[in-house]
Amino acid sequence: GQNIDQPTEMTATEGAIVQINCTYQTSGFNGLFWYQQHAGEAPTFLSYNVLDGLEEKGRFSSFLSRSKGYSYLLLKELQMKDSASYLCAVGMNSGGYQKVTFGTGTKLQVIP
Amino acid sequence: EAQVTQNPRYLITVTGKKLTVTCSQNMNHEYMSWYRQDPGLGLRQIYYSMNVEVTDKGDVPEGYKVSRKEKRNFPLILESPSPNQTSLYFCASSGRRGRADTQYFGPGTRLTVL
Repeated sequence: GQNIDQPTEMTATEGAIVQINCTYQTSGFNGLFWYQQHAGEAPTFLSYNVLDGLEEKGRFSSFLSRSKGYSYLLLKELQMKDSASYLCAVGMNSGGYQKVTFGTGTKLQVIP
Repeated sequence: EAQVTQNPRYLITVTGKKLTVTCSQNMNHEYMSWYRQDPGLGLRQIYYSMNVEVTDKGDVPEGYKVSRKEKRNFPLILESPSPNQTSLYFCASSGRRGRADTQYFGPGTRLTVL
């Protein structure tokens, strides 16, 4: 099975930097995803890490350490519109295909 | 416009009355999946499909059925809905063969079973 942990809620100030952590335990790991979900809306894809290291994409960066079962999403220059839930999801091999399991999400509130 | 559509968006029904939630994607994606989302439990996968006529159970398949007769459609069937199936349901698709990365989600279907 899989166990994915991320904080339930976080609060950060507009213009600041926030790091959302995700730890996981799984067998057959083959990738880690981050999705953003605004209240009442569908999740949207942010990033996908397969190899160790940092992937940067504009204001958002995602880091992966496979040996530690650890990832984080870094949001810089926070804006009010970044208030949303951030979902960590782990991919694993399943009969030659990839199965994805989501964590329960971290609700981020950006305050002025 | 590339998209995943679901119908209906909202549904209130009664226990035991069979229902189908449709899902369709216009991106020629092979991978499709159904999730339910509940407070405190996050997104949980119900069923997924790697291609036409290829489906498999996710983490919470009990009480649900799916079919994949065409590449674009992946309906979710509740043969005898019960109140514990009240939830927000999302359909998703992904284009990379055999992989579920970069999933595109539909707008969601909010189901209430009385």
